[in-house]
Amino acid sequence: EAGVAQSPRYKIIEKRQSVAFWCNPISGHATLYWYQQILGQGPKLLIQFQNNGVVDDSQLPKDRFSAERLKGVDSTLKIQPAKLEDSAVYLCASSTIKTLDRYTEAFFGQGTRLTVV
Amino acid sequence: SQQGEEDPQALSIQEGENATMNCSYKTSINNLQWYRQNSGRGLVHLILIRSNEREKHSGRLRVTLDTSKKSSSLLITASRAADTASYFCATDMIRMRFGAGTRLTVKP
Repeated sequence: EAGVAQSPRYKIIEKRQSVAFWCNPISGHATLYWYQQILGQGPKLLIQFQNNGVVDDSQLPKDRFSAERLKGVDSTLKIQPAKLEDSAVYLCASSTIKTLDRYTEAFFGQGTRLTVV
Repeated sequence: SQQGEEDPQALSIQEGENATMNCSYKTSINNLQWYRQNSGRGLVHLILIRSNEREKHSGRLRVTLDTSKKSSSLLITASRAADTASYFCATDMIRMRFGAGTRLTVKP
């Protein structure tokens, strides 16, 4: 079974530039998460999709970050314009949720390491 | 805001010893999960415990959950150098949130 695919693996941009990350979840997984992980910290949930609908985006800085999941499969996360403090690893994960008491684990991609200079 | 908080922040032990990490959370949960992250890599799921369970085992892993204290513990028995990683707890699958993690170092 193929895992969660993310690209690119690494990205270096200057502040005020824009950047986009791509995620392809495991086939059939309805739930997709984007996390931001700053060095030395735990992953911070940015946005959670269920199919192509947003479950939670309360921690997404909407003035500069945007995410979409067209057709409920692949997803892109965009930052425009980037700030120095956006330097982090951006993790995508997917899972299946059938009912509130029927969970599977979340599978994570390798992440995209973003450096803003 | 983060939901789970792990304790201690860092733990260093010798190979063969047991390692215990704790997680506290703030609100009611349906389940709690533990994940491992090796340096520079993605997170790997270790074990899930539901709110109506008190203890669960998987190989060398033992997880307990005390919903009255809003806390969980992860015990790794007979640790190996390959267990060196950061360990995170996460609450629920809806709006799954992680703590800051425990950095475990197992010395050979």
